[in-house]
Amino acid sequence: SQQGEEDPQALSIQEGENATMNCSYKTSINNLQWYRQNSGRGLVHLILIRSNEREKHSGRLRVTLDTSKKSSSLLITASRAADTASYFCATEGSNYKLTFGKGTLLTVNP
Amino acid sequence: DSGVTQTPKHLITATGQRVTLRCSPRSGDLSVYWYQQSLDQGLQFLIQYYNGEERAKGNILERFSAQQFPDLHSELNLSSLELGDSALYFCASSVGGGDYEQYFGPGTRLTVT
Repeated sequence: SQQGEEDPQALSIQEGENATMNCSYKTSINNLQWYRQNSGRGLVHLILIRSNEREKHSGRLRVTLDTSKKSSSLLITASRAADTASYFCATEGSNYKLTFGKGTLLTVNP
Repeated sequence: DSGVTQTPKHLITATGQRVTLRCSPRSGDLSVYWYQQSLDQGLQFLIQYYNGEERAKGNILERFSAQQFPDLHSELNLSSLELGDSALYFCASSVGGGDYEQYFGPGTRLTVT
């Protein structure tokens, strides 16, 4: 069963715009991670945010975590065509298992 | 390039057969994870090994087994293959046993005919 659920399922924007993806989960977590996957290829780790953290930045990426609402968001600023990919959130609980959502398909149009 | 290698890249086999997928983790990583990705099930965690020992188990079928060797490479064995086993199989590695980012290999695409 999927722990994290991303929203929206698909997002289409123009280059230069910001993209926001949301993730909701159901049980307590140790951390939440965001990954990117280009079609049919391996996943690339973007950001890990621990349960005691509220916000993290990495380059053009900003992740927030609200444990009271069991939700997280990933913001990509000034998007580029190369950002076109599927984005997954994954939650890790106390059992060390990483559970992935179904992903958001982001399309950035040039 | 994540530093995680997987072989083979593609595998086509018939129902009822047995295959072995191989994974070499990043240098220095002690944990290896196996995942299955299919269109209907999404990305499913199968099993984790940490420094040679099984650490966590997910939705791994009894027909599937894995192990991690002393040199830390890992193998996933899939037997009595069914059409529904067709999927992308990913290996990932991390430094520790939990609470670390995972680095994914390029995957093995298994097609069962």
